[in-house]
Order: sequence, then C-alpha cells, then structure tokens
Amino acid sequence: EPEVTQTPSHQVTQMGQEVILRCVPISNHLYFYWYRQILGQKVEFLVSFYNNEISEKSEIFDDQFSVERPDGSNFTLKIRSTKLEDSAMYFCASSEMAGPAFFGQGTRLTVV
Amino acid sequence: QQPVQSPQAVILREGEDAVINCSSSKALYSVHWYRQKHGEAPVFLMILLKGGEQKGHDKISASFNEKKQQSSLYLTASQLSYSGTYFCGTEWRGGSNYKLTFGKGTLLTVNP
Repeated sequence: EPEVTQTPSHQVTQMGQEVILRCVPISNHLYFYWYRQILGQKVEFLVSFYNNEISEKSEIFDDQFSVERPDGSNFTLKIRSTKLEDSAMYFCASSEMAGPAFFGQGTRLTVV
Repeated sequence: QQPVQSPQAVILREGEDAVINCSSSKALYSVHWYRQKHGEAPVFLMILLKGGEQKGHDKISASFNEKKQQSSLYLTASQLSYSGTYFCGTEWRGGSNYKLTFGKGTLLTVNP
C-alpha cells in the first residue's frame, strides 16, 4: 500500500542551526502539507502546497520556514534558525484532489 | 479558523457509546475525521462532503450539517481499540487555495 515516508525519524539540533525535514508523498497525490504537533497538544497546520507553490500557510509559518519540492518525489520543510519552541513532531501529509490526507510517521525535532 | 471540538475528553467502558462534535465558523467544503494513537501519526477515518451526509464503517459513523457547519462522530458499542485522540479536520477552499485545519482533538479512553 502506498505511504508517505519521512526522514529522519528523529533529529536533534542546536538552537540557531538550520534543519531540513524530508518527505516523500504518495506518488499520484497533488496536495502536500506540513503539520506540527507539540508534545501533548493538537495537530497544527503549517502550510499546504499545490502546483509547485504554497497554497495556504498559517501564522506559525513565518520567514523562518520554507518549503520546496526539489524534484518529482521529495517535499522538504526547512527551518532556518531553530528555536527551542520549534521542538515538536512534524508530520508531512499528502492527498489527491481534495481527498483524505495521508500522514507520514513524523519527524521528532528536538532543539537543544 | 480552526474548528472547535467537544468534549475535550471522554472516558468510556467497553460497549458504551460516545459522540464527538466539531463546529466551524467558516463555510466548509468538507469535514474529515482522523484518529491518532499515542506516538503515532493521525489516521484517516472518513470524509463527509455533502450537507446532511452521513457515513460510517463498522460501529463508527459521522454526520455533517452543512448549514450549521457542524459535524458529529458517533462511536457505538465502543471497543478497547477505539482509544485514541480524535481530530476533526475542516476543509476550506477558495479559488486555488486549500486548507485542511484540525481541531484540538478529543481524547477517548475506553476501559475494560
């Protein structure tokens, strides 16, 4: 069964460093998303991406964040200068045209 | 605008029923329901596209009142495996813009 894959599963980084979280969406899906979940809290929308550009973004998704689809299969989230409060589980998801979102297993980011 | 879910938490004994509600102040294209087990990614349960639509599989069903922008998830004769956090996701569209936003979740605990 097709699935969304994310790498790495766990990333530890020092405050101020840049991190890139990687995702391989399901191959025929057109919409891609990043969500964040701080431990014990709700799943928060960061950004949606369609047709090689950002479709929607939340107030959390400030200039520190960027997304890219560098090739036909990968979808990345870059956090330029990490802060302690960026520590969270980051989920990538993909969907067909307005269908259900399928989530990857997440990348746990720990900023120290 | 994120949807509002209620209640925040429910504790059941096996075999009991529960209803989880989700409401939005924004005009919606559809409502999604997901379940997240502790430490795992959210998993899609069902999507409701039309006003007044009801859907279900097994003993989990949902309704969507498009006029009221409300959806309810019904869990009947609950099983231990139903335990987890249930999120509603509200889908909004505007032109080519698209956003899937989740509520804060309802923690469901089913005890033997």
